[in-house]
Amino acid sequence: SAVISQKPSRDICQRGTSLTIQCQVDSQVTMMFWYRQQPGQSLTLIATANQGSEATYESGFVIDKFPISRPNLTFSTLTVSNMSPEDSSIYLCSVVFPNSGNTIYFGEGSWLTVV
Amino acid sequence: GQNIDQPTEMTATEGAIVQINCTYQTSGFNGLFWYQQHAGEAPTFLSYNVLDGLEEKGRFSSFLSRSKGYSYLLLKELQMKDSASYLCAVMDSNYQLIWGAGTKLIIKP
Repeated sequence: SAVISQKPSRDICQRGTSLTIQCQVDSQVTMMFWYRQQPGQSLTLIATANQGSEATYESGFVIDKFPISRPNLTFSTLTVSNMSPEDSSIYLCSVVFPNSGNTIYFGEGSWLTVV
Repeated sequence: GQNIDQPTEMTATEGAIVQINCTYQTSGFNGLFWYQQHAGEAPTFLSYNVLDGLEEKGRFSSFLSRSKGYSYLLLKELQMKDSASYLCAVMDSNYQLIWGAGTKLIIKP
């Protein structure tokens, strides 16, 4: 089965700094998404990462705060900018594989703690 | 608005059977998903239902009734490793996934 790798898996960040999370898939994928899961909460979609164009952001999320790149069909990055303690969360890359219908698969997640 | 309802927490005994319910109200329907999420880990896909009826996969089964906006996940022969959160999610007419808050399942010996 295909592998979805995220880096870093865990980090402790200083308030006001920015961190970029990488998502690498070992096969080409149709769609890539970035989710956030705050402590004790369910999943919230941040944006859909579009290959070769700007990401599509959900209500409450903006490009300045969460810039996203997707240079090709196997890789994407999410940057969490100017972090505050409220950004402490799990950030999850997820993908839909060709021929898998609508099923979303998740990377291992990046656990960020902002201090 | 769109919403997914599932119990916050359930407790069951090792070796027993447990049913986790999920009701939904969404704008259209393109399938219902169940995911398992162990503490400190990412969600993993369990099942997908788009037609009414029961889908069985080993110890896990998932049922869907579209007319009732209802699904359940049935776990048989419970093992301690089944202690996890179970997330119900519905894909609406715009192919957006609407997530439930998850049901934390506690298995006791």
